Amino acid sequence: SQTIHQWPATLVQPVGSPLSLECTVEGTSNPNLYWYRQAAGRGLQLLFYSVGIGQISSEVPQNLSASRPQDRQFILSSKKLLLSDSGFYLCAWRGNSPLHFGNGTRLTVT
Amino acid sequence: KQEVTQIPAALSVPEGENLVLNCSFTDSAIYNLQWFRQDPGKGLTSLLLIQSSQREQTSGRLNASLDKSSGRSTLYIAASQPGDSATYLCAVSPPGFQKLVFGTGTRLLVSP
Repeated sequence: SQTIHQWPATLVQPVGSPLSLECTVEGTSNPNLYWYRQAAGRGLQLLFYSVGIGQISSEVPQNLSASRPQDRQFILSSKKLLLSDSGFYLCAWRGNSPLHFGNGTRLTVT
Repeated sequence: KQEVTQIPAALSVPEGENLVLNCSFTDSAIYNLQWFRQDPGKGLTSLLLIQSSQREQTSGRLNASLDKSSGRSTLYIAASQPGDSATYLCAVSPPGFQKLVFGTGTRLLVSP
């Protein structure tokens, strides 16, 4: 069966520090991979998606970047965090149809 | 641009009631629609997926319907239980299904 792992679960980082969130999927090949952000009181915002290794589509201009170095690995990064980057970050994957989410990372930028 | 709206934003019911959550979308050209459940501080759990060619899907006490022409979906929860308390989100997938557009969710509280 397929599983998705996302870490860390929580993270507190100072403004200006770098960020690296990792997501891996097991039990499937060539999945579509997604990074979403859920800010307090707001809906889910699609940040990046990838349909294959090295293929990244960015949905909104922002302080973040994404990379897919391997088929089932998706990384969300920032060189310098802003206060506005605080939120709940969710990784997701899909094969033919249903979208499946990881447990999320709660990021607080102080 | 596809927009997804969920009404009501919050709902509080006593245990045992049957209830309906609504989801509407502006562009009827969708590939499928998915309902999710999110517990506080957790990721999203997929509940039901309806393909654009289908009218409804059922799983246990949950039944989701889709009326693509009118841009509406409903999630029916029968005999609600306190464990059903969560935020419910719907999401539509456009043709090409690479991206989903999410609604803002309905926060449900079922009191014992």
